[in-house]
Amino acid sequence: SSELTQDPAVSVALGQTVRITCQGDTLGRYYASWYQQKPGRAPVLVIYGKMNRPSGIPDRFSGSSSGNTASLTITGAQAEDEADYYCNSRDSGGNHWVFGGGTKVTVL
Amino acid sequence: QLQLQESGPGLVKPSETLSLTCTMSGGSIRSNSHYWAWIRQPPGKGLEWIGNIYYSGSTSYNPSLTSRVTISVDTSKNQFSLRLSSLTAADTAIYYCARRLGEECHNNNCYDAFDIWGQGTMVIVSP
Repeated sequence: SSELTQDPAVSVALGQTVRITCQGDTLGRYYASWYQQKPGRAPVLVIYGKMNRPSGIPDRFSGSSSGNTASLTITGAQAEDEADYYCNSRDSGGNHWVFGGGTKVTVL
Repeated sequence: QLQLQESGPGLVKPSETLSLTCTMSGGSIRSNSHYWAWIRQPPGKGLEWIGNIYYSGSTSYNPSLTSRVTISVDTSKNQFSLRLSSLTAADTAIYYCARRLGEECHNNNCYDAFDIWGQGTMVIVSP
């Protein structure tokens, strides 16, 4: 079982804001990283660290963290943001990596 | 631009050993700042971290797989490889290789990330 917990699915109206959360005991020590995966494609890193965005990732994607919960926010969701989103961080021992179960985002 | 490409058989038999190779282009695997990883995804399911390797050969494996997995690196060929033994149908998955950023810490909070991924290779375990 995953040590990082995500809601299985969320939906958002086009142009609105959606927050995806990831809960885990280690998130107070390690920031989560977030990955977007579209069908048939490899995951793409969208957020890492406190709120780092790789080159090419739109600024409507942002990250935050509070206690044992990390969040990915899409402000002004676009149709192309419809995808699965996974969080990733360390396990309780700190020497291994785990992924959350993923959240399917549907843009209505 | 750095790219990763997985290669290996698409079909393997149960109880056999899977061997996959990841070839890096556009950079050097002998990086002080990066690690190299294998991650897999069973059909219709989520991502599972398999393990990491540093160019020196230092490794870290998923505890659930550690008895069956070996990751190695060949710096002369800019490649790293995965061997997974005693295969079962549960090992059927898309296997990705990825680059992991080295850990950075600020104010007692640390982070890293898998910033570059290969396109993935589908492996089916079937008689």
